[in-house]
Amino acid sequence: SQQGEEDPQALSIQEGENATMNCSYKTSINNLQWYRQNSGRGLVHLILIRSNEREKHSGRLRVTLDTSKKSSSLLITASRAADTASYFCATRRDGGSQGNLIFGKGTKLSVKP
Amino acid sequence: GEEVAQTPKHLVRGEGQKAKLYCAPIKGHSYVFWYQQVLKNEFKFLISFQNENVFDETGMPKERFSAKCLPNSPCSLEIQATKLEDSAVYFCASSQFQGSSGNTIYFGEGSWLTVV
Repeated sequence: SQQGEEDPQALSIQEGENATMNCSYKTSINNLQWYRQNSGRGLVHLILIRSNEREKHSGRLRVTLDTSKKSSSLLITASRAADTASYFCATRRDGGSQGNLIFGKGTKLSVKP
Repeated sequence: GEEVAQTPKHLVRGEGQKAKLYCAPIKGHSYVFWYQQVLKNEFKFLISFQNENVFDETGMPKERFSAKCLPNSPCSLEIQATKLEDSAVYFCASSQFQGSSGNTIYFGEGSWLTVV
């Protein structure tokens, strides 16, 4: 069963605009991770946010976590064509650190030059 | 190594043939995971290892699929008597539970299996 569910499923924006993707999950978590997958490639880890954190930044990425709503968002500011990819949120199955990751179905982001 | 290395990158098998995929985790990582991605969408967890021991195999199909992580050898995922629906990208990942960075799982580039 899916733990994370991303929203929207697809997003198309112009270069320079901001892109916001949302993720909802069902069970309690220890942390939540965001990954990027370029077409035909593997997953690249972007950022991990712990359950006791509300916001985290990494370059042009900003991730928020609301454990009361069981949701997270990924914001990419000043998007570039190279940001075109699918973005997945993932949580650990048992909410801890050793369980396998459960992924959502991803948001397909298209950034037009 | 500093990255999860998967081989082969592409594999084509006729229905009923065996397929074997390999994965070298990042050096020092204790946990290895196998995932299956179909149609570039959902990632299905298959199995995980803690060193050479099976840690969680709840996602492994009961028949035809097997996996090993032996000391001093790449981990492997083997599919006996492949079926058309086994066509997918198989990702290997590794992680090391160690301090604040231990929860990050690093993925390989995947092995594309096509069953014809």
